[in-house]
Amino acid sequence: EVQLLESGGGLVQPGGSLRLSCTASGFTFTNHAMSWVRQAPGKGLEWVSAISGGGGTTYYTDSVKGRLTISRDNSKNTLYLQMNSLRAEDTALYYCAKAPTPGQLLRFDCWGQGTLVTVSS
Amino acid sequence: DIQMTQSPSSLSASIGDRVTITCRASQSVSSYLNWYQQKPGKAPKLLIYAASSLQSGVPSRFSGSGSGTDFTLTISSLQPEDFATYYCQQGYSTPLTFGGGTKVEVK
Repeated sequence: EVQLLESGGGLVQPGGSLRLSCTASGFTFTNHAMSWVRQAPGKGLEWVSAISGGGGTTYYTDSVKGRLTISRDNSKNTLYLQMNSLRAEDTALYYCAKAPTPGQLLRFDCWGQGTLVTVSS
Repeated sequence: DIQMTQSPSSLSASIGDRVTITCRASQSVSSYLNWYQQKPGKAPKLLIYAASSLQSGVPSRFSGSGSGTDFTLTISSLQPEDFATYYCQQGYSTPLTFGGGTKVEVK
């Protein structure tokens, strides 16, 4: 069974940092690009960042460039999101999501349950 | 960036109704259009990919159509478990973008 389990969320002050993790199981991790998608409380879905299966290519939405960094450790089947210089508008439930191929993002065919990040003083 | 516009933003329907949700892209996304269902407190679930392909395990009452800029998600006979919010998403180019969602409520 394909499973994605996020962790690392919490309450952080504006300007602070946090690192999210997503541990994958049930599939060959390196064969799939991965993304982070967030959802602010009561709002819709927003794609944040993605990384190719091998980790050599990364993508970001403009609002997080230079502040959030996606990475992966294929030996540990784990996806990361390093979050620096956090702002109130980064407050959201962060999902990790799996793509069907290693190189093309296309769609999200499996999602974790999410980890909540709250940026507040 | 490609903007995705869904309509309506909400609708009320009864069990057994045929429900149609539309999604319009600000530029052509070819057939790189996906549909998701999200229930309260749960992660989204992929229903339809590549505009009209049914994801494994999804009931056949769900169908998708369209190409280019205009797409439709249809539920042929609404069931109690279908009351949820539905999102379209383009996979044509980054940044990947979602529609604002359509909440399907009980009439």
